[in-house]
Amino acid sequence: DTAVSQTPKYLVTQMGNDKSIKCEQNLGHDTMYWYKQDSKKFLKIMFSYNNKELIINETVPNRFSPKSPDKAHLNLHINSLELGDSAVYFCASSQGLGPRGEKLFFGSGTQLSVL
Amino acid sequence: AQSVAQPEDQVNVAEGNPLTVKCTYSVSGNPYLFWYVQYPNRGLQFLLKYITGDNLVKGSYGFEAEFNKSQTSFHLKKPSALVSDSALYFCAVRDLRDYKLSFGAGTTVTVRA
Repeated sequence: DTAVSQTPKYLVTQMGNDKSIKCEQNLGHDTMYWYKQDSKKFLKIMFSYNNKELIINETVPNRFSPKSPDKAHLNLHINSLELGDSAVYFCASSQGLGPRGEKLFFGSGTQLSVL
Repeated sequence: AQSVAQPEDQVNVAEGNPLTVKCTYSVSGNPYLFWYVQYPNRGLQFLLKYITGDNLVKGSYGFEAEFNKSQTSFHLKKPSALVSDSALYFCAVRDLRDYKLSFGAGTTVTVRA
Protein backbone atom coordinates (compact mmCIF):
# COMPACT_ATOMS: atom_id res chain seq x y z
CA ASP A 1 0.00 0.00 0.00
CA THR A 2 1.39 3.35 -1.03
CA ALA A 3 1.24 5.77 1.90
CA VAL A 4 1.18 9.00 -0.13
CA SER A 5 0.13 8.62 -3.73
CA GLN A 6 -0.10 11.29 -6.36
CA THR A 7 -1.36 11.20 -9.91
CA PRO A 8 -0.38 11.56 -12.61
CA LYS A 9 3.31 10.64 -12.41
CA TYR A 10 4.06 12.50 -15.62
CA LEU A 11 2.18 15.44 -17.10
CA VAL A 12 3.10 16.99 -20.43
CA THR A 13 0.99 19.91 -21.59
CA GLN A 14 0.96 23.08 -23.64
CA MET A 15 1.37 26.61 -22.32
CA GLY A 16 -1.92 28.18 -21.34
CA ASN A 17 -3.65 24.94 -20.41
CA ASP A 18 -5.21 24.18 -17.03
CA LYS A 19 -4.21 21.00 -15.21
CA SER A 20 -4.67 19.27 -11.87
CA ILE A 21 -2.52 16.98 -9.77
CA LYS A 22 -4.17 14.79 -7.19
CA CYS A 23 -2.77 13.54 -3.89
CA GLU A 24 -4.10 11.06 -1.39
CA GLN A 25 -2.63 9.75 1.85
CA ASN A 26 -3.79 6.68 3.76
CA LEU A 27 -1.75 7.34 6.89
CA GLY A 28 -4.49 9.11 8.80
CA HIS A 29 -2.39 12.27 8.95
CA ASP A 30 -3.85 15.69 9.69
CA THR A 31 -1.46 17.76 7.61
CA MET A 32 -0.66 17.76 3.90
CA TYR A 33 1.74 19.78 1.78
CA TRP A 34 2.71 20.66 -1.76
CA TYR A 35 6.37 21.17 -2.56
CA LYS A 36 7.96 22.22 -5.85
CA GLN A 37 11.38 20.88 -6.88
CA ASP A 38 13.05 22.80 -9.67
CA SER A 39 15.57 21.59 -12.22
CA LYS A 40 18.42 22.23 -9.76
CA LYS A 41 16.69 19.99 -7.21
CA PHE A 42 15.90 22.93 -4.94
CA LEU A 43 12.82 22.10 -2.86
CA LYS A 44 10.39 24.82 -1.85
CA ILE A 45 7.13 24.62 0.02
CA MET A 46 4.06 25.96 -1.72
CA PHE A 47 1.08 25.15 0.48
CA SER A 48 0.12 23.30 3.62
CA TYR A 49 -3.26 22.25 4.95
CA ASN A 50 -3.98 21.13 8.49
CA ASN A 51 -7.37 19.48 9.01
CA LYS A 52 -8.52 20.96 5.69
CA GLU A 53 -7.50 24.47 6.75
CA LEU A 54 -4.88 26.37 4.75
CA ILE A 55 -2.02 27.23 7.08
CA ILE A 56 0.93 27.86 4.77
CA ASN A 57 0.56 29.80 1.56
CA GLU A 58 3.95 30.80 0.26
CA THR A 59 4.56 33.37 -2.44
CA VAL A 60 2.95 31.38 -5.20
CA PRO A 61 1.15 32.83 -8.24
CA ASN A 62 -2.65 32.93 -7.99
CA ARG A 63 -2.72 30.50 -10.89
CA PHE A 64 -1.97 27.78 -8.34
CA SER A 65 -4.92 26.78 -6.20
CA PRO A 66 -4.91 23.94 -3.68
CA LYS A 67 -8.10 22.15 -2.70
CA SER A 68 -8.54 19.84 0.25
CA PRO A 69 -11.93 18.08 0.11
CA ASP A 70 -11.04 16.04 3.20
CA LYS A 71 -8.02 15.32 5.40
CA ALA A 72 -6.83 12.51 3.18
CA HIS A 73 -6.75 14.50 -0.06
CA LEU A 74 -4.96 17.61 -1.24
CA ASN A 75 -5.21 18.46 -4.91
CA LEU A 76 -3.32 21.14 -6.82
CA HIS A 77 -4.94 22.95 -9.71
CA ILE A 78 -2.86 25.11 -12.02
CA ASN A 79 -4.41 27.60 -14.43
CA SER A 80 -2.81 29.09 -17.53
CA LEU A 81 0.33 27.02 -17.33
CA GLU A 82 3.65 28.74 -18.11
CA LEU A 83 7.03 27.39 -19.15
CA GLY A 84 8.43 28.23 -15.71
CA ASP A 85 5.94 25.92 -14.06
CA SER A 86 7.89 22.94 -15.37
CA ALA A 87 9.17 21.11 -12.30
CA VAL A 88 8.55 18.09 -10.13
CA TYR A 89 5.71 18.61 -7.67
CA PHE A 90 5.72 16.58 -4.48
CA CYS A 91 2.84 15.97 -2.16
CA ALA A 92 3.66 15.15 1.47
CA SER A 93 1.85 14.51 4.71
CA SER A 94 2.66 14.54 8.43
CA GLN A 95 0.93 13.57 11.66
CA GLY A 96 0.55 17.23 12.56
CA LEU A 97 2.41 20.43 13.21
CA GLY A 98 3.12 19.83 16.85
CA PRO A 99 6.13 19.90 19.13
CA ARG A 100 7.42 16.47 18.14
CA GLY A 101 8.67 17.84 14.84
CA GLU A 102 6.67 15.34 12.87
CA LYS A 103 8.45 13.85 9.90
CA LEU A 104 7.10 14.22 6.40
CA PHE A 105 6.06 11.34 4.18
CA PHE A 106 6.46 12.18 0.51
CA GLY A 107 4.75 10.95 -2.61
CA SER A 108 6.86 9.91 -5.58
CA GLY A 109 6.31 13.17 -7.42
CA THR A 110 4.61 14.48 -10.54
CA GLN A 111 6.94 15.59 -13.31
CA LEU A 112 5.23 18.50 -15.06
CA SER A 113 6.58 19.58 -18.44
CA VAL A 114 5.07 22.66 -20.06
CA LEU A 115 5.83 23.00 -23.76
CA ALA B 1 13.64 33.62 8.96
CA GLN B 2 15.19 30.18 8.93
CA SER B 3 17.63 28.74 6.43
CA VAL B 4 19.87 25.79 5.77
CA ALA B 5 23.19 25.65 3.95
CA GLN B 6 24.72 22.54 2.47
CA PRO B 7 28.15 23.76 1.36
CA GLU B 8 28.97 20.79 -0.88
CA ASP B 9 27.03 20.08 -4.07
CA GLN B 10 28.70 16.68 -4.36
CA VAL B 11 30.47 14.23 -2.10
CA ASN B 12 32.36 11.27 -3.54
CA VAL B 13 33.63 8.42 -1.39
CA ALA B 14 34.83 4.88 -1.87
CA GLU B 15 32.71 2.05 -0.52
CA GLY B 16 33.70 1.18 3.01
CA ASN B 17 35.03 4.65 3.78
CA PRO B 18 33.37 7.08 6.18
CA LEU B 19 30.78 9.41 4.70
CA THR B 20 30.06 12.94 5.95
CA VAL B 21 27.50 15.34 4.49
CA LYS B 22 27.68 18.84 5.93
CA CYS B 23 24.83 21.09 7.00
CA THR B 24 24.66 24.40 8.84
CA TYR B 25 21.48 26.15 9.84
CA SER B 26 20.13 29.50 10.90
CA VAL B 27 17.02 29.99 13.04
CA SER B 28 15.91 32.64 15.48
CA GLY B 29 14.85 30.15 18.13
CA ASN B 30 15.49 26.50 18.93
CA PRO B 31 15.63 24.31 15.83
CA TYR B 32 14.07 21.10 14.71
CA LEU B 33 16.62 19.52 12.35
CA PHE B 34 16.07 16.75 9.82
CA TRP B 35 17.85 14.75 7.17
CA TYR B 36 16.02 13.32 4.18
CA VAL B 37 17.30 11.20 1.28
CA GLN B 38 16.01 11.16 -2.29
CA TYR B 39 16.74 8.27 -4.62
CA PRO B 40 16.37 8.82 -8.39
CA ASN B 41 12.77 9.36 -9.50
CA ARG B 42 11.49 8.96 -5.96
CA GLY B 43 10.11 11.18 -3.24
CA LEU B 44 12.14 12.14 -0.20
CA GLN B 45 12.49 9.66 2.65
CA PHE B 46 13.04 10.57 6.27
CA LEU B 47 16.40 9.54 7.74
CA LEU B 48 16.56 11.14 11.17
CA LYS B 49 15.70 14.18 13.24
CA TYR B 50 16.96 16.20 16.19
CA ILE B 51 14.47 17.85 18.50
CA THR B 52 16.16 17.93 21.87
CA GLY B 53 18.32 15.75 24.09
CA ASP B 54 21.40 13.80 23.05
CA ASN B 55 23.41 15.64 20.42
CA LEU B 56 24.13 12.42 18.52
CA VAL B 57 21.06 11.16 16.73
CA LYS B 58 20.84 7.75 15.11
CA GLY B 59 18.62 7.12 12.12
CA SER B 60 17.77 4.75 9.31
CA TYR B 61 20.24 2.72 7.22
CA GLY B 62 23.11 3.19 9.70
CA PHE B 63 23.18 6.98 9.42
CA GLU B 64 23.72 9.31 12.34
CA ALA B 65 23.98 13.06 12.76
CA GLU B 66 25.58 15.28 15.33
CA PHE B 67 23.94 18.47 16.51
CA ASN B 68 26.43 21.20 17.40
CA LYS B 69 24.74 24.28 18.77
CA SER B 70 27.85 26.46 18.97
CA GLN B 71 28.70 25.81 15.33
CA THR B 72 25.03 25.69 14.25
CA SER B 73 25.76 22.48 12.40
CA PHE B 74 24.01 19.17 11.90
CA HIS B 75 26.34 16.99 9.84
CA LEU B 76 25.18 13.60 8.59
CA LYS B 77 27.60 10.70 8.98
CA LYS B 78 27.93 7.04 8.19
CA PRO B 79 30.98 5.07 9.35
CA SER B 80 31.15 2.80 6.31
CA ALA B 81 29.45 3.87 3.08
CA LEU B 82 27.72 1.50 0.67
CA VAL B 83 27.20 1.88 -3.07
CA SER B 84 23.46 1.84 -2.34
CA ASP B 85 23.89 5.05 -0.28
CA SER B 86 24.40 6.96 -3.54
CA ALA B 87 21.55 9.48 -3.58
CA LEU B 88 20.62 13.12 -3.01
CA TYR B 89 20.63 14.17 0.64
CA PHE B 90 18.69 17.11 2.05
CA CYS B 91 19.12 18.82 5.38
CA ALA B 92 16.06 20.68 6.69
CA VAL B 93 15.26 22.98 9.59
CA ARG B 94 12.13 24.18 11.27
CA ASP B 95 11.91 26.86 13.91
CA LEU B 96 9.90 25.69 16.93
CA ARG B 97 7.56 28.63 16.43
CA ASP B 98 7.02 28.13 12.71
CA TYR B 99 5.21 25.51 10.70
CA LYS B 100 7.46 25.68 7.68
CA LEU B 101 10.22 23.21 6.97
CA SER B 102 13.06 24.80 5.00
CA PHE B 103 15.29 22.52 2.94
CA GLY B 104 18.89 22.97 1.91
CA ALA B 105 19.89 22.77 -1.74
CA GLY B 106 20.85 19.12 -1.42
CA THR B 107 24.14 17.20 -1.66
CA THR B 108 24.62 14.45 -4.20
CA VAL B 109 26.49 11.52 -2.70
CA THR B 110 28.26 9.08 -4.96
CA VAL B 111 29.78 5.96 -3.45
CA ARG B 112 32.08 4.10 -5.83
CA ALA B 113 32.70 0.39 -5.59
